[in-house]
Amino acid sequence: NAGVTQTPKFQVLKTGQSMTLQCAQDMNHNSMYWYRQDPGMGLRLIYYSASEGTTDKGEVPNGYNVSRLNKREFSLRLESAAPSQTSVYFCASSVFGEGDLYTGELFFGEGSRLTVL
Amino acid sequence: KQEVTQIPAALSVPEGENLVLNCSFTDSAIYNLQWFRQDPGKGLTSLLLIQSSQREQTSGRLNASLDKSSGRSTLYIAASQPGDSATYLCAGYSSASKIIFGSGTRLSIRP
Repeated sequence: NAGVTQTPKFQVLKTGQSMTLQCAQDMNHNSMYWYRQDPGMGLRLIYYSASEGTTDKGEVPNGYNVSRLNKREFSLRLESAAPSQTSVYFCASSVFGEGDLYTGELFFGEGSRLTVL
Repeated sequence: KQEVTQIPAALSVPEGENLVLNCSFTDSAIYNLQWFRQDPGKGLTSLLLIQSSQREQTSGRLNASLDKSSGRSTLYIAASQPGDSATYLCAGYSSASKIIFGSGTRLSIRP
């Protein structure tokens, strides 16, 4: 059972380059999230998708775009990378809704470590 | 605005001790409270989830409680082992998108 899978695990970019982080989950979750984790700043939400076809901004969305390709996949794109975007990026998924089945428990991927020079 | 605080930031104890990690939140209208473990260079592993209608959850040597009225959650680890060494984070949910994380407690268990 793979859970939440992120690619790539490591990436080095030059300022101004673009790239896409991929995330896929096999737990049939409806909600997916992208976070960044920085020393001293904790985990901060970049974008989230409550369900297929919807996306919304989180706490720190500037410089990023997302695509909810289908129920399984949620990608994060950096159009013009900046050194301030050097961070560890985590994708997460959960089930949110009404009723006992919808616990909201968050499951995380292993992270993608991005360095922008 | 929901804020989540974890004190202490770091803790070192000898093996075998029982210990308590604390998580405080400012908004009592919290929906879920989840505890995670993070090993160096790894992702977050879910330990326990306390849903809005619950007051505690247990898994093995771990017990987490939630007191909304006081704005506190505690994670109790019994008979600590060196393998328990990691950073422990709590997260308070106000909704599907408003999930606020604490900065974590870095736990070290000395053999």
